[in-house]
Order: sequence, then C-alpha cells, then structure tokens
Amino acid sequence: RKEVEQDPGPFNVPEGATVAFNCTYSNSASQSFFWYRQDCRKEPKLLMSVYSSGNEDGRFTAQLNRASQYISLLIRDSKLSDSATYLCVVIGGGADGLTFGKGTHLIIQP
Amino acid sequence: DTAVSQTPKYLVTQMGNDKSIKCEQNLGHDTMYWYKQDSKKFLKIMFSYNNKELIINETVPNRFSPKSPDKAHLNLHINSLELGDSAVYFCASSPTSGMYTDTQYFGPGTRLTVL
Repeated sequence: RKEVEQDPGPFNVPEGATVAFNCTYSNSASQSFFWYRQDCRKEPKLLMSVYSSGNEDGRFTAQLNRASQYISLLIRDSKLSDSATYLCVVIGGGADGLTFGKGTHLIIQP
Repeated sequence: DTAVSQTPKYLVTQMGNDKSIKCEQNLGHDTMYWYKQDSKKFLKIMFSYNNKELIINETVPNRFSPKSPDKAHLNLHINSLELGDSAVYFCASSPTSGMYTDTQYFGPGTRLTVL
C-alpha cells in the first residue's frame, strides 16, 4: 500500500456546488497533515493545516480521521478560481518523513 | 519582494552536461528543501538542509549534489544529466527544522529539459 494516496480525478463540479475529496495515509504514526493547492505550471501553496479537531477557513473545511487514517477537504459554494490540483501532505512516521500525495485535480465548471 | 527565488526558470540542456540551479530565500527560515516534480506531477522530496547542514537525503542518484553556502541559499548541482532528470525542480523553505515541519514556502520552480 502506498504511503499517501489521493484520487487523481479530475473532479468536474458545477460552480456553486460542494465538493469533497480524501487523502489516505498508511502510517498510523503520522503526526502532521496539510492541504496544498497547486495551479497549472505554478508552485504549490499552503491552503490549510489539518488539525485533529478539524478546522474551517471560509468555504474550506479540513478534517482528520485517525481511526480510518485519512484527511479530507470540503469546499463549499465552489468558485471557478478553485480549479486547481489539491495536494495532501503527511509528515512524520513514514520512511520519507514528509510525503506529498499525487494530488486531486479539481475543475469547476461555469 | 520574492520570498523564495530560483534561477534559472527554464533550463534546456544536452544529455551528459553538468548544470546548477540556484535557490535563495529571504524569509529568514532555517530549513530549505529541494523537490522534484516529474511529468506525472508527483512531488517528491530530494534533500533538506537545516542551517547549512544536510538533514534529509532521499534515495537520489549521487549525480545530484546540494550545496548550502549559508542558510539563505541552497543550490543543486547535477552531473552527467540524463533524460530521466527532465522535471520541474522546486526549492522550498520552512521556519522550523527536521522532518516535522511547518508551512513550506515554494519557489516558482525550474523546468529542466534534457535532450
């Protein structure tokens, strides 16, 4: 089983809809989790950290489920500008210490 | 002001050549990284330096040699370039050290094409 897995998509979602995707990780000792966003031909940028209690930032909500070993990202009222690739990052416990998922490609359609 | 900068932005070169990519951060961070993102968009860490000392060295061919002259700079030298080295190389920095890092700030990337 790969250390960090994401559904590559693409997820085609109409503008205004709610979309959610998950990222699973294999090492139960993993300690820190993040979501990054990467636009086409650009560098990744931090979207939000993922806390054990879950956290919300505007239209974005991140959750951690340690029992099932996955993190999730929920985007409400999606905008065209949300179109991007969303990368999860898992830190600690794995052979690499810091591992990026391959990303989920999201396309918001007008 | 650019927080993490890389030069060059594009690099096209022949197989067998030696090339360097430079990275500088003006954020005062202690830790810097090199990542490789291949054609399948998989972003993989290569090296990490904390205060000029190597702390992460993943399974990378020894043709790749990072050099950190000071904590604001981390350069990547690649010897005997191969076709498979074609990728986008991202430099990044973070304020904390070690594997349990905080937010990473990425440079704009260097698109390397080996012909």
